[in-house]
Amino acid sequence: GIQVEQSPPDLILQEGANSTLRCNFSDSVNNLQWFHQNPWGQLINLFYIPSGTKQNGRLSATTVATERYSLLYISSSQTTDSGVYFCAVKGVTTDSWGKLQFGAGTQVVVTP
Amino acid sequence: SQTIHQWPATLVQPVGSPLSLECTVEGTSNPNLYWYRQAAGRGLQLLFYSVGIGQISSEVPQNLSASRPQDRQFILSSKKLLLSDSGFYLCAWSGWGGRAEAFFGQGTRLTVV
Repeated sequence: GIQVEQSPPDLILQEGANSTLRCNFSDSVNNLQWFHQNPWGQLINLFYIPSGTKQNGRLSATTVATERYSLLYISSSQTTDSGVYFCAVKGVTTDSWGKLQFGAGTQVVVTP
Repeated sequence: SQTIHQWPATLVQPVGSPLSLECTVEGTSNPNLYWYRQAAGRGLQLLFYSVGIGQISSEVPQNLSASRPQDRQFILSSKKLLLSDSGFYLCAWSGWGGRAEAFFGQGTRLTVV
C-alpha cells in the first residue's frame, strides 16, 4: 500500500512563530487531506488539497503531486494550534484506491 | 448538510465481553465508510473499509469485525474483547470515489479492563 511519512515528529514553538510541516507519500494520489486532532481527540478537517495551494487564515498548504509531497504552513502560531497534525492520502492503484491512509502525525506544542 | 454520529463517546468493558460500536451518517447516500483505531501515541490504523451494504474490506487481521446492515450504518463488533483492543476508535465517511473528502465522527474511547 501507499506509504505516508510526516516530519518532524515533534515541534515546539513559541507563540507567534511560524512553522512548516511536511508530508511525503510514496505513490500517486487522488486525495490528500490535512487534519488537526484537538486535545479531545476530534479530527478537524483543515485542507483537502490533492494539488496546488490553499490558504485559510493563518494556515496554508501546498501539494506538489508530481514530486509527492505536501507542506502545511502555520503562521503566527497560537496556543490553540497545539495538537497533532495529520496528513492522509488516497492512492490511485487498485489496492489503495478509496482507502484513506494516514501518516504518523506531527505533535505541535505552542508555548505562551 | 452531512453529519456523522458515533456512539458511545467512552466505554469501559471487561476482558472477554462483547463489543458493538455504531456509526451512522446523515445527509448523503452510498457513502464510503471507514473504521480506524488510534492506540496510545498518534497513528491512525485503518481497520475496515466499506463501499456499500455488505461490502467490507478488512485491512488488519484482528479480534474485530465490521458490518454494514444499511447504507448509512457501520458497526464495529467483537465477540470477546482483549486488553489490546483498548484505544480510540474513529468512524469516517467520504463520498464515493478516490477523490472524495473524508469526514470523521467524534470517536469512542474504549478501555478494556
